[in-house]
Amino acid sequence: DAGVIQSPRHEVTEMGQEVTLRCKPISGHDYLFWYRQTMMRGLELLIYFNNNVPIDDSGMPEDRFSAKMPNASFSTLKIQPSEPRDSAVYFCASSLARGGGHSEQFFGPGTRLTVL
Amino acid sequence: SQQGEEDPQALSIQEGENATMNCSYKTSINNLQWYRQNSGRGLVHLILIRSNEREKHSGRLRVTLDTSKKSSSLLITASRAADTASYFCATDAMGKLTFGTGTQLKVEL
Repeated sequence: DAGVIQSPRHEVTEMGQEVTLRCKPISGHDYLFWYRQTMMRGLELLIYFNNNVPIDDSGMPEDRFSAKMPNASFSTLKIQPSEPRDSAVYFCASSLARGGGHSEQFFGPGTRLTVL
Repeated sequence: SQQGEEDPQALSIQEGENATMNCSYKTSINNLQWYRQNSGRGLVHLILIRSNEREKHSGRLRVTLDTSKKSSSLLITASRAADTASYFCATDAMGKLTFGTGTQLKVEL
């Protein structure tokens, strides 16, 4: 298995531009998570999906952020318009449902976003 | 505020020594998980301990959970230079997994 795949690995853009991050979860996993990691705030959960349906988006910072999961093998996180404070590493993770709460999550390599 | 807080924030030891990291949390949990992150990489799952378990082992890793004190510890025995990384605890509570602030471990030769 290729693991969780994220693209691009690095993105440099200018303030005001639209940014789209992509994720392909592990085949067969039914949970997908988007996280943001910064030195100041650590690792923050932005949103997660179960069977392609958004379950909790309370971590999405503002209306500038949106996420979609059109099918079981693809998700996007979009920032429009982007701002310098959005600069961070964005991780996608997936997991398989098991009884008794959240099971182990498999993380992608991350997308390092720099907004100038 | 963070659900999980790791202690210490940074730890430096010699190869062959044991490393102990602690995690405290605030609410009741379903399970607690430990992850490792090498510099510039994604997180890798190490071990999961359920709320009704007190201790779990995996290779050189030993995790304990004390739900009465709302705390967990991760022990890495006979550390190696390759164990140098950041270690995070994550608590499964209120429908989501919340990560702590992490402990940066450096194992020197």
